[in-house]
Amino acid sequence: DTEVTQTPKHLVMGMTNKKSLKCEQHMGHRAMYWYKQKAKKPPELMFVYSYEKLSINESVPSRFSPECPNSSLLNLHLHALQPEDSALYLCASSQDPGTANYGYTFGSGTRLTVV
Amino acid sequence: AQSVTQLGSHVSVSEGALVLLRCNYSSSVPPYLFWYVQYPNQGLQLLLKYTTGATLVKGINGFEAEFKKSETSFHLTKPSAHMSDAAEYFCAVMGDIGSSNTGKLIFGQGTTLQVKP
Repeated sequence: DTEVTQTPKHLVMGMTNKKSLKCEQHMGHRAMYWYKQKAKKPPELMFVYSYEKLSINESVPSRFSPECPNSSLLNLHLHALQPEDSALYLCASSQDPGTANYGYTFGSGTRLTVV
Repeated sequence: AQSVTQLGSHVSVSEGALVLLRCNYSSSVPPYLFWYVQYPNQGLQLLLKYTTGATLVKGINGFEAEFKKSETSFHLTKPSAHMSDAAEYFCAVMGDIGSSNTGKLIFGQGTTLQVKP
């Protein structure tokens, strides 16, 4: 299995809703990442998990809450989002967070719309 | 600080013509360099990467890139464009170990490739 699987593919939520994005990989990668991408822009790093521990938080608002229950699974919990949070949310993984010269494997993303 | 510059936010070529997407980087140490492609409403797919060794790197779908240290460049080429190559292309450099960018991919702003019939 050489894929990163993200669910759901599309999500529409109201500003008072609570929802979660899910990401799964079975490649034995020990680093996992959440990115946010606006149209025609490069991905922006949000969080990095290294060996299941949060290692980088790029000053992301607390309405985004990441969770890494095990080495294969990464969640992003969403609460009280704003319309400007609408974007493509990408999950990625890499083999070793210390020497990530292999690059990242990206999932196909969740298209989030906040109404 | 490390950075990646992609020259030309939009490149248009005719089908069958040469594709050249330009990327320049800044890094204080030998870099790890990547090209990713993103089709509409999709994630990023790794086209090719340079880590060490041969400076001409071959990737998927007929793409290749050449690492030129003296020019701090990593341009992406394909001899003959196909309609299916139309997509967004991102050049990226891995953050230097020990820097504030350790473990982070630093992306360029992207280049939209249009292929005309």
